[in-house]
Amino acid sequence: SQQGEEDPQALSIQEGENATMNCSYKTSINNLQWYRQNSGRGLVHLILIRSNEREKHSGRLRVTLDTSKKSSSLLITASRAADTASYFCATAQTTDSWGKLQFGAGTQVVVTP
Amino acid sequence: GAVVSQHPSRVICKSGTSVKIECRSLDFQATTMFWYRQFPKKSLMLMATSNEGSKATYEQGVEKDKFLINHASLTLSTLTVTSAHPEDSSFYICSVSKGPNSPLHFGNGTRLTVT
Repeated sequence: SQQGEEDPQALSIQEGENATMNCSYKTSINNLQWYRQNSGRGLVHLILIRSNEREKHSGRLRVTLDTSKKSSSLLITASRAADTASYFCATAQTTDSWGKLQFGAGTQVVVTP
Repeated sequence: GAVVSQHPSRVICKSGTSVKIECRSLDFQATTMFWYRQFPKKSLMLMATSNEGSKATYEQGVEKDKFLINHASLTLSTLTVTSAHPEDSSFYICSVSKGPNSPLHFGNGTRLTVT
């Protein structure tokens, strides 16, 4: 069954604006990861945040994790047209299940110039 | 550069035929590889874990006789869709990881269309 649920399902913004998407999950986790997928391509890893971490940054990306609420958010600042893609959160429930990620349905982001 | 190479990127086959998809780990030796399936505009679902030198571990509901996995070397895993049917049409993606708390590196996927 699907572990993560992303919100919103779709997001349309203009270049320069910030994009925020949220992910909720159901069970305890070892870590949570965010991936990006361009249409018809494989997924590209963005950020991994461990269960004992609350926030991580990577360039224009900021990820937060609230294990008490079983939720995470991904913020893309100063978006660009090239950020147009689908974004997925995925959880690894235990250390032993490190490659067995449970993915959400994704948020489709469209950034218009 | 690419960590994982997956071929073919696209294949169209007729019902009843078999299709083999190759996944190569380019950057490191991978004793374990992971095969995912993605339906249109949907999430990814783990199909099976490919283990070098031993049998693959299949997720619940995945037919092992239909989706044959072979992991003959530390850098190559293959997924064979046997006796393909239109409902097998999907996007298949392989991935590797260095271990716990390391991200998955995905191939570019294979779009399978069964006519």
